Amino acid sequence: DADVTQTPRNRITKTGKRIMLECSQTKGHDRMYWYRQDPGLGLRLIYYSFDVKDINKGEISDGYSVSRQAQAKFSLSLESAIPNQTALYFCATSAGGAIAEAFFGQGTRLTVV
Amino acid sequence: RKEVEQDPGPFNVPEGATVAFNCTYSNSASQSFFWYRQDCRKEPKLLMSVYSSGNEDGRFTAQLNRASQYISLLIRDSKLSDSATYLCVVNAAPGNTPLVFGKGTRLSVIA
Repeated sequence: DADVTQTPRNRITKTGKRIMLECSQTKGHDRMYWYRQDPGLGLRLIYYSFDVKDINKGEISDGYSVSRQAQAKFSLSLESAIPNQTALYFCATSAGGAIAEAFFGQGTRLTVV
Repeated sequence: RKEVEQDPGPFNVPEGATVAFNCTYSNSASQSFFWYRQDCRKEPKLLMSVYSSGNEDGRFTAQLNRASQYISLLIRDSKLSDSATYLCVVNAAPGNTPLVFGKGTRLSVIA
């Protein structure tokens, strides 16, 4: 089983719908992140959390919200999906410290029609 | 200036060639540096960390130049399996900030 698991792996949803992407990890890491990836734009940080009570906005948080339900779980919500939120979404985790490697989930391909 | 900048490529090289990628970063206080590899439609994975003295892992060599604020990745004897996107990653401040990813450089190794 993967150390960082994202569900669903693929999703097609309609404009205006609420959708939640879930991420769980078995690495025991405190830090969790949500990124989106678009062709030509690379990975852009949406939100990150350094522990259960910590939530921080990233570069592109508008239109998204997150919930850190437990150390192992970090969910990303699109309250009212719009077509330009069509992208590949990655969850990642890392241990604390400057040298910590990031471990990624396999990604969720979201299409908003 | 963007925090982390890379030449997007693509770099198209024949098998056996040596290829080098550079990456520049804007925050002079950055402490840690990495190269990640991402295959098409897959998640990024750590290729190697970059240390001040430079480091080598088989055919891959990473260098850091703090004075000029760039890091490099050299791949020798390129294999078809090296075809991927290489992401330059910087941690702007130790412990309290997330990793910042460059947009990546695409490499295609051709038979």
